[in-house]
Amino acid sequence: AQSVTQLGSHVSVSEGALVLLRCNYSSSVPPYLFWYVQYPNQGLQLLLKYTTGATLVKGINGFEAEFKKSETSFHLTKPSAHMSDAAEYFCAVSVYSSNTGKLIFGQGTTLQVKP
Amino acid sequence: DGGITQSPKYLFRKEGQNVTLSCEQNLNHDAMYWYRQDPGQGLRLIYYSQIVNDFQKGDIAEGYSVSREKKESFPLTVTSAQKNPTAFYLCASRTRNTGELFFGEGSRLTVL
Repeated sequence: AQSVTQLGSHVSVSEGALVLLRCNYSSSVPPYLFWYVQYPNQGLQLLLKYTTGATLVKGINGFEAEFKKSETSFHLTKPSAHMSDAAEYFCAVSVYSSNTGKLIFGQGTTLQVKP
Repeated sequence: DGGITQSPKYLFRKEGQNVTLSCEQNLNHDAMYWYRQDPGQGLRLIYYSQIVNDFQKGDIAEGYSVSREKKESFPLTVTSAQKNPTAFYLCASRTRNTGELFFGEGSRLTVL
């Protein structure tokens, strides 16, 4: 069975500082991995995804993530935080060979950006 | 524009009443999903449907029901059997190739 663990339910950074949100997954078969962002009382928006190929994935708003199979990790980074990055972030995993398409989500990490 | 529309955005219900949340998509996606979101618990899958007239239970289906009579529509009914229905409900549909989910804006249900 697949699972996702996001380390840290709350992360606080200063504006301009590095953003690092951690995600570890468990999957017995090659996974598809996703990061979503959610602003208050809104749906989820895809930031980036890893399916196959290049392990460093670039997404919207300057975010990127690296798939590390040996560490079963897919951490999200951004070199310089902006106030507008304050939101909740979800890591998710699905199994590419599965036709159900279910995504398993982590618990979420709330990012606070201080001026 | 293509997307997923959920309605209503906010809904209040008295205990013992059933309520139906609407989800419509014009993305031509076959698969659709309902998730429930509670603070600190991430998203939990209620029901999903991969094709018209077929659907499967997710992890927390008790107290909920769905139908899939049209490709575009996947309504969720929160029944009086659901013990703790106050939550934020998210509908999504999926692309066939990469498995990416597209989400609606959500419906917030409050039971008074």
